[in-house]
Amino acid sequence: QVQLAESGGGVVQPGRSLRLSCAASGFTFSNYVMQWVRQAPGKGLEWVAVISYDGSNPYYADSVKGRFTISRDNSKNTLYLQMNRLRAEDTAVYYCVNVVPGTAVFDYWGQGTLVTVSS
Amino acid sequence: ETVMTQSPATLSVSPGERATLSCRASQSVSSNLAWYQQKPGQAPRLLIYGASTRATGISARFSGSGSGTEFTLTISSLQSEDFAVYYCQQYNNWPPWTFGQGTKVEIK
Repeated sequence: QVQLAESGGGVVQPGRSLRLSCAASGFTFSNYVMQWVRQAPGKGLEWVAVISYDGSNPYYADSVKGRFTISRDNSKNTLYLQMNRLRAEDTAVYYCVNVVPGTAVFDYWGQGTLVTVSS
Repeated sequence: ETVMTQSPATLSVSPGERATLSCRASQSVSSNLAWYQQKPGQAPRLLIYGASTRATGISARFSGSGSGTEFTLTISSLQSEDFAVYYCQQYNNWPPWTFGQGTKVEIK
């Protein structure tokens, strides 16, 4: 079955960096567009970034553009999110999500990893 | 950016009753609209895509309708496991993909 397992979250000071990972299994990772979505505590869902099958054509939410970088390693079935110059408003649970092939529909979601930006 | 607006924010329903949730888009999204269910402490789960197609394994209690800018999610005969927060999301005009703010369905 499809499994997406995020890791790398934690408490970090404002201005510092963190890298999230998402280990994928149960599907052919290299055939899937992948996304990151976040959810601040008690708030709704916010799309963060997307990357295509081969790692090209990343797109970012305006709120993270220039600070976050999405990447993938298809040989390791792993998705990454490099987060630099973190701000308090980046505090959230970060989910990795795969996209239904041939569509832009968010399909399976991981359980998420919590990032807390605080001094 | 396409803004998604859900109503109501909270819906109080008795078990066995029907729940009707609304979602409005600030511009047409055709039928490229999805609904997700999120229970406390869990990740969202895809319920409906294409405005009306149930995802794999989703109960027939859940049905979606609409196109363009107005959409509805109907849950017939609410079960205890259906009490959750529901989000609509458009995937027509991206990036960005945008979500509604959510409707919480609670026990009356």
